[in-house]
Amino acid sequence: EAGVVQSPRYKIIEKKQPVAFWCNPISGHNTLYWYRQNLGQGPELLIRYENEEAVDDSQLPKDRFSAERLKGVDSTLKIQPAELGDSAVYLCASRQTSGRSGELFFGEGSRLTVL
Amino acid sequence: GENVEQHPSTLSVQEGDSAVIKCTYSDSASNYFPWYKQELGKRPQLIIDIRSNVGEKKDQRIAVTLNKTAKHFSLHITETQPEDSAVYFCAAFTNAGKSTFGDGTTLTVKP
Repeated sequence: EAGVVQSPRYKIIEKKQPVAFWCNPISGHNTLYWYRQNLGQGPELLIRYENEEAVDDSQLPKDRFSAERLKGVDSTLKIQPAELGDSAVYLCASRQTSGRSGELFFGEGSRLTVL
Repeated sequence: GENVEQHPSTLSVQEGDSAVIKCTYSDSASNYFPWYKQELGKRPQLIIDIRSNVGEKKDQRIAVTLNKTAKHFSLHITETQPEDSAVYFCAAFTNAGKSTFGDGTTLTVKP
């Protein structure tokens, strides 16, 4: 079975440009997370979905970041416009059942470089 | 909100020695505590986890202990090998799915 799939793996853009990341979670996983990981730090939560509902987006910079999870499966994370400080690895992760302490599986991540 | 502190930030051991990494958490609603290993440029991968109704769990050379009263949990790696070299992250999850990660420990095992 395929794991969590993310694309693109790498993206280099100039500041003020838009960028979008895509995530396909493991089949049957209701809960989907987007994290940002800066160099030398742990993953920081941006947004968490239970099915198609965003249940925790308190740390998402809503002035420039947006996310959606149509039909409770795939998800996209968008940044517009990008800033230099947005350079990081964006990790998507999914879990089997909402509300339970199931194992969290990560994708390979999308490494963003903003010039 | 939840705060997870992880220590040490770097750890260097000789091959065959043991390594211990400690984490403390603040949210008493946390009840699931996984540990992840992340090699350079790769995704974090679960190596062991523990739930709040258990005090200790072991899987071959890796063990995790949990003290809910003190709100801390630890990762123990025995008989370390060079391939254990990586960054290790602890995390705390609530039953509602809220997650917080530590800042990581860079473990170096010298042959």
